Amino acid sequence: AQRVTQPEKLLSVFKGAPVELKCNYSYSGSPELFWYVQYSRQRLQLLLRHISRESIKGFTADLNKGETSFHLKKPFAQEEDSAMYYCALSGSGGTSYGKLTFGQGTILTVHP
Amino acid sequence: GAGVSQSPSNKVTEKGKDVELRCDPISGHTALYWYRQRLGQGLEFLIYFQGNSAPDKSGLPSDRFSAERTGESVSTLTIQRTQQEDSAVYLCASSLVGLGSPTFFGQGTRLTVV
Repeated sequence: AQRVTQPEKLLSVFKGAPVELKCNYSYSGSPELFWYVQYSRQRLQLLLRHISRESIKGFTADLNKGETSFHLKKPFAQEEDSAMYYCALSGSGGTSYGKLTFGQGTILTVHP
Repeated sequence: GAGVSQSPSNKVTEKGKDVELRCDPISGHTALYWYRQRLGQGLEFLIYFQGNSAPDKSGLPSDRFSAERTGESVSTLTIQRTQQEDSAVYLCASSLVGLGSPTFFGQGTRLTVV
């Protein structure tokens, strides 16, 4: 079975401080990992995915297979980063290719 | 339209009534998904369509829930004899099929059963 755990339901930081949103997963295979973000009154949207190894809006995430983690990091948080963040996993192949398993989400609040 | 469209945006229904939720995916996206998000919880997978067939219905919580897709396009999620625990935001998503293809979400239908 595949599972995604986001241990922090709420995370508060001050503007300019570093932020790390934690995500751990369990999956018996090679997963694809994603971070999705939902800003207030907007739809859920893809922030970044591990296969792209990209930095979006200053956020990065590295897949650590040894620790089965995919933590999201940003060195200097901005107020506009305040949102709900979901870590998600997709198994590779099979009949449910692309089906996402989500963590519970972390609400990030960046204070001025 | 350019994105995944869902209707209605909000639906209030009486317990025991049937409801239909509609999803218009992005044109050309053969994969379509339904998820449910109950208050204070993460997103739960309900059903996956590849074209018009549903190879994975494992997330449907009971036989009161069903879904269909026609023309490899529009999908309808039907909940019969609604219960209060069905109250949630129902999200539809679509994607192309391929390694790393991103999934795009609709704005959701907020269902309230009173």
